[in-house]
Order: sequence, then structure tokens, then C-alpha cells
Amino acid sequence: AQSVTQLDSQVPVFEEAPVELRCNYSSSVSVYLFWYVQYPNQGLQLLLKYLSGSTLVKGINGFEAEFNKSQTSFHLRKPSVHISDTAEYFCAVSDPDTGNQFYFGTGTSLTVIP
Amino acid sequence: DVKVTQSSRYLVKRTGEKVFLECVQDMDHENMFWYRQDPGLGLRLIYFSYDVKMKEKGDIPEGYSVSREKKERFSLILESASTNQTSMYLCASRQGGGNQPQHFGDGTRLSIL
Repeated sequence: AQSVTQLDSQVPVFEEAPVELRCNYSSSVSVYLFWYVQYPNQGLQLLLKYLSGSTLVKGINGFEAEFNKSQTSFHLRKPSVHISDTAEYFCAVSDPDTGNQFYFGTGTSLTVIP
Repeated sequence: DVKVTQSSRYLVKRTGEKVFLECVQDMDHENMFWYRQDPGLGLRLIYFSYDVKMKEKGDIPEGYSVSREKKERFSLILESASTNQTSMYLCASRQGGGNQPQHFGDGTRLSIL
């Protein structure tokens, strides 16, 4: 089974500053990678996904993520955050060897400070 | 857009009660999932189903069961609710294999008193 580590449980950042949310997963030959966002009292919404090809993936709301196979990482970045980006962010890995199951990290709470 | 609807946003039940959480998706997805979400623990998979009447245990199935009689509906059942089952419960659906994203409902916040 895969394990997913989100190294930072809480990240405070000032408005208009850049942010990076880190995600590492246990090694595998090939995986599918996802980032989700959860606003208060809501379910999870897909931000972006990596399936194959270019290692830099662009998603909604100005977010992007870079897949690094050698470091088994999939860090999420945004060059300039807004107050509305305050939310919980989850990294998820799908391992083709286990078919249907997603493995989620424990989440990173991003707080944007005005 | 995919719509995953969970029947209740908030639910309060008593210890020992049998509790039903309902989830319906409108996109004819094959796969459906139930998770519980707790602070600091992220999402943990309880059960999933890849077809009608089919079910597979996830990581934490104890104290839960599921039912999938129709493709669009996936029910989570707490056979005898206990206080340690107080949590946020999230339902998700997905079409196809692991290269497809899961689509989530808004969650049910369940309190067991």
C-alpha cells in the first residue's frame, strides 16, 4: 500500500505571497497523483492531477504542481495567494497496482493572512 | 458536472442506534466510496464498491457495513453507533480506474451522543 506524507499540517502565509505545500509518497514504478481542496463545511474539490507526460501540471485557481519521480514528491505551488485560498489541501495517490484505492495525506491547513 | 449528494449535512444520534447515511450520484459512475475524516488523520477509507451489490473493505471497516442495491446509491450503515464514530463522513464516486479523479459530496457531520 502507498503512504502519503504532507509534511506541514499548518501553513500561514501573507496575502499575495507565494506558497508551497509539500507532498511525498512512498515509492512505486508509476502512480497517479492528485491535489484536492476542501473549503469549510464542504467536500473535496479537485485542484489538479498528474497522470503522465509533463511533470509540471497546472490546475484551477492559479495552482500548479510539479511531479518529481526521483524524490517521490508532488508539491503544490501558487505564486500569489488570496484570502479565498484559505482552506484544507489534500494530496492523494492512486497506485495502479491496487486498482481502485486512493491514498490520502493528512492534509495541510493553509491560512492566508491579510 | 458530477453531482454527489449526501442526504444529511448534520446528524445527531444516540449510542446504540442503527444509523443510515445515504449517498447518491447522478453520473452513472461504477465506483463509490465512503470515507471518514478526522482532524490530523486525513481521510480514511471505510468501504468501497465497484459495482451493484459488490463491496470491498477499506482500511477501517469495523463497526460499519454498506449497501449498494442500485448503481447510483451507496449507503453506509452504523450497526450500533458508538461515540468514537462521531466524525465527518464523505462519500465519493468515480468512473473507471485509478487515473480518474474521485468526486465528493459535501459530507455528513455525524455526532453520536
